[in-house]
Amino acid sequence: KAGVTQTPRYLIKTRGQQVTLSCSPISGHRSVSWYQQTPGQGLQFLFEYFSETQRNKGNFPGRFSGRQFSNSRSEMNVSTLELGDSALYLCASAGGGTPTGELFFGEGSRLTVL
Amino acid sequence: DQQVKQNSPSLSVQEGRISILNCDYTNSMFDYFLWYKKYPAEGPTFLISISSIKDKNEDGRFTVFLNKSAKHLSLHIVPSQPGDSAVYFCAAKGGTSYDKVIFGPGTSLSVIP
Repeated sequence: KAGVTQTPRYLIKTRGQQVTLSCSPISGHRSVSWYQQTPGQGLQFLFEYFSETQRNKGNFPGRFSGRQFSNSRSEMNVSTLELGDSALYLCASAGGGTPTGELFFGEGSRLTVL
Repeated sequence: DQQVKQNSPSLSVQEGRISILNCDYTNSMFDYFLWYKKYPAEGPTFLISISSIKDKNEDGRFTVFLNKSAKHLSLHIVPSQPGDSAVYFCAAKGGTSYDKVIFGPGTSLSVIP
């Protein structure tokens, strides 16, 4: 079955702009999580959506937001971009019913803020 | 406050030898521990996991050891192969499906032919 698809793969924005990233999970998966990866920081948890509801939220400012649609596709939005938002944004899906933590990641969206 | 720590940013190992990647955690409520592998320009992929009721889990060349009293786990790769060169992330989560997965900063493994 098809994996997790993230679009766009690469994008360049300038400070102050906003950006929307999209994630299509594996068919049948109802949980979508978003992570920010920067050098030396590993994967920082942004938020998780399950059946259109935000189930968990990380320690990011309110400029970072997300949503999930009825077909489980998810979007995340970053407003008023700052240079420090340059990172790889990873989306991961899971079935949602198991506690073990196995996530299936997309290839990520590489955001560069100039 | 980083709940999952990987104190070695990088590791180099000769092909055929053992690779040992270490991970420490601070939250005693974690119930599941996982290792993910990431190649450049790809998303992380799940490698192996262990629940807190076990102290060892093995899958082929990969073995994870858990020492709950020390809040420490390690991933052993035997024998190491050049294709194992990647960034390895340690991760942990609580015992319900609602708990988020928390990742460490990663260790970059280079296996030298």
